[in-house]
Amino acid sequence: KAGVTQTPRYLIKTRGQQVTLSCSPISGHRSVSWYQQTPGQGLQFLFEYFSETQRNKGNFPGRFSGRQFSNSRSEMNVSTLELGDSALYLCASSFRRLGATGNTIYFGEGSWLTVV
Amino acid sequence: TQLLEQSPQFLSIQEGENLTVYCNSSSVFSSLQWYRQEPGEGPVLLVTVVTGGEVKKLKRLTFQFGDARKDSSLHITAAQPGDTGLYLCAGERTDKLIFGTGTRLQVFP
Repeated sequence: KAGVTQTPRYLIKTRGQQVTLSCSPISGHRSVSWYQQTPGQGLQFLFEYFSETQRNKGNFPGRFSGRQFSNSRSEMNVSTLELGDSALYLCASSFRRLGATGNTIYFGEGSWLTVV
Repeated sequence: TQLLEQSPQFLSIQEGENLTVYCNSSSVFSSLQWYRQEPGEGPVLLVTVVTGGEVKKLKRLTFQFGDARKDSSLHITAAQPGDTGLYLCAGERTDKLIFGTGTRLQVFP
């Protein structure tokens, strides 16, 4: 059974550009959530999608957005990139939505974004 | 505001020693997960605990969920260099997964 797949693994962007990251969840999983990991802030929740609907969003500006497709694959977009957006962006998938009893959440290897 | 505090933040020990990592919160979680993360990679799930007071064992690792489902601990017996990594607890609440501050463990041969 394939795990959570994230693409691309590494990318470098310039300030002001936008970036789109992709996440393919484990087959059968309907929840996809996104996280930002930085040395200073640790791992922080960005948002969760379940059955193509965004259920919740963390404390991030509107430049961070996402969507989920009917096959549960998800994309995350960051517009007008800033230097502080440099981070490891992690995607996680689970069968149940976040907060459901007995849920198990699996992470991908992440996408390293460097903004210069 | 960090809802999940882990302690200690750093831990350097010799092979064969025992250690305990704590994950504390004032909030109740529906479940709590422990992950280990290697540099440059995503967190790998170690265990999920759901029931207050639950204890799970995974070889040399013992996980406990507090009775009130607000805290958890990870105990490693006879640590090995392969246990080196960043250990993260994560509490699941409605619509959100909240991560702890992390414990960086280094086990020397």
